[in-house]
Amino acid sequence: EAGVVQSPRYKIIEKKQPVAFWCNPISGHNTLYWYLQNLGQGPELLIRYENEEAVDDSQLPKDRFSAERLKGVDSTLKIQPAELGDSAVYLCASSSTGNTEAFFGQGTRLTVV
Amino acid sequence: DAKTTQPPSMDCAEGRAANLPCNHSTISGNEYVYWYRQIHSQGPQYIIHGLKNNETNEMASLIITEDRKSSTLILPHATLRDTAVYYCIVSRYNYGQNFVFGPGTRLSVLP
Repeated sequence: EAGVVQSPRYKIIEKKQPVAFWCNPISGHNTLYWYLQNLGQGPELLIRYENEEAVDDSQLPKDRFSAERLKGVDSTLKIQPAELGDSAVYLCASSSTGNTEAFFGQGTRLTVV
Repeated sequence: DAKTTQPPSMDCAEGRAANLPCNHSTISGNEYVYWYRQIHSQGPQYIIHGLKNNETNEMASLIITEDRKSSTLILPHATLRDTAVYYCIVSRYNYGQNFVFGPGTRLSVLP
């Protein structure tokens, strides 16, 4: 069974440019999460989806970040415009209702220069 | 959700048991203790979780004190591949939504 797939693995962009990350969760998983991980710190939740509905986006900086999960499967996370402080690893995870375990992808490492 | 406190780093000799402590003195009665680990350049990986009783699976054992204010993750025979950051998380959800990750413990397994 394929795990959570994220792309790209690495992305370098100039500040003020837009960037998008893509996540394909494990088949059948209705819950999808986006996390942000700064160097040396634990992941921080940005947004959680139950199917196509964003049920918790309280930590998402909505002035520049947006996310969508059309059809309740794949998801994209966008930053526009990117700032130097957005350099981090962006992790996607998924789980199924009633399951105790969240499965994480390998993440996308974003560098803003 | 209650906060956790973990030592920032630990060393363990290969083949020996690794005992990783976690303090969660403000844990509530309906909050679970979860452990995840993150190997370099990978996403976090679930290890084990528990509520009150000690738990064991193929990866590790979880020992929770009777007052539930602390717990210990035990890797019975640590290998070099167990070198990772280990996160202890307390969450009231039984299926792990909205975890709050702290900085964790960086475990180095030494040959």
